[in-house]
Amino acid sequence: EAGVTQSPTHLIKTRGQQATLRCSPISGHTSVYWYQQALGLGLQFLLWYDEGEERNRGNFPPRFSGRQFPNYSSELNVNALELEDSALYLCASRTGRSYNSPLHFGNGTRLTVT
Amino acid sequence: DAKTTQPPSMDCAEGRAANLPCNHSTISGNEYVYWYRQIHSQGPQYIIHGLKNNETNEMASLIITEDRKSSTLILPHATLRDTAVYYCIVRGLIQGAQKLVFGQGTRLTINP
Repeated sequence: EAGVTQSPTHLIKTRGQQATLRCSPISGHTSVYWYQQALGLGLQFLLWYDEGEERNRGNFPPRFSGRQFPNYSSELNVNALELEDSALYLCASRTGRSYNSPLHFGNGTRLTVT
Repeated sequence: DAKTTQPPSMDCAEGRAANLPCNHSTISGNEYVYWYRQIHSQGPQYIIHGLKNNETNEMASLIITEDRKSSTLILPHATLRDTAVYYCIVRGLIQGAQKLVFGQGTRLTINP
């Protein structure tokens, strides 16, 4: 079974630009989560999508947004990039059928803002 | 979600059992305990989870105390590839609060 896949693996942008990160969940998984992991810090929850709708978001400004497509893949968009947005962005998925099913993570997109 | 407390770092000799503790004294009755690990520059890898009974899979064993206020992850025969940061997380049943809160974890170093 293919795991969670994220693209691109690395992304370099300049301040003020926009970045789009993509995630394909494990087949059969309907929930997708996004996390930010800045260097030396823990994982910070960004967004949760389920069945195409945003269910919850973390303490991030509105320039962080996303969406989930009918095939359950997801996109994270970061507008007006700032230097402190440089981080590893992780996507995770889980099945919505079991309330205690674990999250499965991809290997992330390393975003560098210069 | 309940807060967890883990030691910041631990060492273990290769081939020995690695026992990683986690305190979750404010855990509530419907919250599960999950363990993940993260090897440098990779995404967190799911290891195991449980509610109140001890659990075992091909990667590890999870021992949860009877009062559920703490748990221990056991890697029975640690290898160098088990060197990673290990995260203990508790997560509740309520669907509306599905965000996992990761703490700082335990940095486990397996020594040859």
